[in-house]
Amino acid sequence: GESVGLHLPTLSVQEGDNSIINCAYSNSASDYFIWYKQESGKGPQFIIDIRSNMDKRQGQRVTVLLNKTVKHLSLQIAATQPGDSAVYFCAENIQGGSEKLVFGKGTKLTVNP
Amino acid sequence: DTGVSQDPRHKITKRGQNVTFRCDPISEHNRLYWYRQTLGQGPEFLTYFQNEAQLEKSRLLSDRFSAERPKGSFSTLEIQRTEQGDSAMYLCASSPTTGRAEQFFGPGTRLTVL
Repeated sequence: GESVGLHLPTLSVQEGDNSIINCAYSNSASDYFIWYKQESGKGPQFIIDIRSNMDKRQGQRVTVLLNKTVKHLSLQIAATQPGDSAVYFCAENIQGGSEKLVFGKGTKLTVNP
Repeated sequence: DTGVSQDPRHKITKRGQNVTFRCDPISEHNRLYWYRQTLGQGPEFLTYFQNEAQLEKSRLLSDRFSAERPKGSFSTLEIQRTEQGDSAMYLCASSPTTGRAEQFFGPGTRLTVL
């Protein structure tokens, strides 16, 4: 069935370093992926998305890479800041199919000053 | 504030009571979603509306759960005869039909069933 998982449940980095958060998905039919950031007590906040016809997309300080061959997604955060500390989720969707997003368990990112 | 809003933010209830949550989506979004999130887990899909029509329901949505969106704007999620296992964060999200596909989430309603 559909599932999205994450390789690491926690990640600790030093302020200013680059962070890489990984995600594996199992549904090869998924064609749309989103990274969300969730701070404690808040709802998920959209960071960046990517469609399956792309393998890389860049935003402000963030880059998402998609490797459809191995069904792997990653989020790279450049110059990580204390405000980046949160739980990060990847989510997958099939455009034109079910409207639901399937989320993984999340990776908790801690940025040390 | 033009984001998704949810009310109440926190609800504490006793087992067996009924609770109702409200979600106001972003005004131009005609798609509305409900998710449930337990501690340490990602959100799990419950149900989805396009305008006033409920088009998809998860098997997680037992017969004690009902969701409505009568006028295609705000939505309510009711849980009847609450159980301790219903304790979770209930998240609402909305998205437009065309253009950008991402779902925008509200702050959630934290339910605690004693």
